[in-house]
Amino acid sequence: AQSVTQLDSHVSVSEGTPVLLRCNYSSSYSPSLFWYVQHPNKGLQLLLKYTSAATLVKGINGFEAEFKKSETSFHLTKPSAHMSDAAEYFCVVSGRAGNMLTFGGGTRLMVKP
Amino acid sequence: DTAVSQTPKYLVTQMGNDKSIKCEQNLGHDTMYWYKQDSKKFLKIMFSYNNKELIINETVPNRFSPKSPDKAHLNLHINSLELGDSAVYFCASRSQGNYGYTFGSGTRLTVV
Repeated sequence: AQSVTQLDSHVSVSEGTPVLLRCNYSSSYSPSLFWYVQHPNKGLQLLLKYTSAATLVKGINGFEAEFKKSETSFHLTKPSAHMSDAAEYFCVVSGRAGNMLTFGGGTRLMVKP
Repeated sequence: DTAVSQTPKYLVTQMGNDKSIKCEQNLGHDTMYWYKQDSKKFLKIMFSYNNKELIINETVPNRFSPKSPDKAHLNLHINSLELGDSAVYFCASRSQGNYGYTFGSGTRLTVV
């Protein structure tokens, strides 16, 4: 079985400052991990994914995440927040062989001007 | 356009009614899914079909019945709708052996 915990339900940053969204996972096997973003009243868009290759994963829109097995973490970062980054972000772990996704509870990112 | 498309985008209906949500993907993927997002934004898998065969059926009331006429379509039929069924339902697809999921834009179901 696998599970995901997003440590912050809300994160507020000022435009131009760094973003850190925290995610811890639990899995009985080597996991595949994802970050998805959902803008208001929109669908889910894949930001980036880790599938046992490089531990530092670069995604779209300047986001990146680092897989740390020793800490069972997969935190999402961005050096400089933009107003358009305001959205709900989901950390997700894939089941064995990718047969299903388990979502974290989500983190709402707010960006202040 | 290549995509996962769901219809309708919005659905408002009264308690007790029966309704269906349709999903189609033209990506050639083998596996399709239904996920439910509740009012607190929490997403949970409901069903998964692989080449028209049901492979995942989470603890969902039997009022919910998925139907896959072919591997490009996965429809969700809901009988005797209840207020608690109000949610956003997402369809998704994936190619076997690939970890890349493509999600539809969601169907917002409101039961009044």
